[in-house]
Amino acid sequence: DVKVTQSSRYLVKRTGEKVFLECVQDMDHENMFWYRQDPGLGLRLIYFSYDVKMKEKGDIPEGYSVSREKKERFSLILESASTNQTSMYLCASSSLTENIQYFGAGTRLSVL
Amino acid sequence: QKEVEQDPGPLSVPEGAIVSLNCTYSNSAFQYFMWYRQYSRKGPELLMYTYSSGNKEDGRFTAQVDKSSKYISLFIRDSQPSDSATYLCAPTANAGGTSYGKLTFGQGTILTVHP
Repeated sequence: DVKVTQSSRYLVKRTGEKVFLECVQDMDHENMFWYRQDPGLGLRLIYFSYDVKMKEKGDIPEGYSVSREKKERFSLILESASTNQTSMYLCASSSLTENIQYFGAGTRLSVL
Repeated sequence: QKEVEQDPGPLSVPEGAIVSLNCTYSNSAFQYFMWYRQYSRKGPELLMYTYSSGNKEDGRFTAQVDKSSKYISLFIRDSQPSDSATYLCAPTANAGGTSYGKLTFGQGTILTVHP
């Protein structure tokens, strides 16, 4: 079974803090993704990566950065958290040969 | 116009009902059609995956694609309380190997099946 693990299920941070969300996959997938999910807005792609050290902006990259130093790990960084970044964050991975994405359980982030 | 449109609901039905979940899309290049299911406080997981027009059945679930009208549907027969979840459609142009695996998701439809 593919497993995508997100380091935290729930996080509470204060405005201005630097926040790290970690994601690890165990299927040797090339592609990894970070989404945020908000009621009525669905899944919105923040960043994705198709290889180690490679990253591409998604639809809503502002206020976020990412890091992929190892193939299995993809980190999302909020440089200075703001209240409008309160959301559910989902990590996913997929292989080069098929477009099926496998998701982690999500991190619910609250920024106060 | 969004590339994929899905009625967010919520949809509430009694146990045993037939449920119809629908999406429309605008990109004629879409050839592969996925449905994901997301239980509360969990990540989405793939439910069904079809190619081109036609129907695909898997137990109580039937995925239907009409490429001429750019309309995709998921039918659930004899719905159960355990089917209560958010359902997301995700059409794509590629089976793999291109576009870095990006998918375009609908907004998701929240379904509740009550006993």
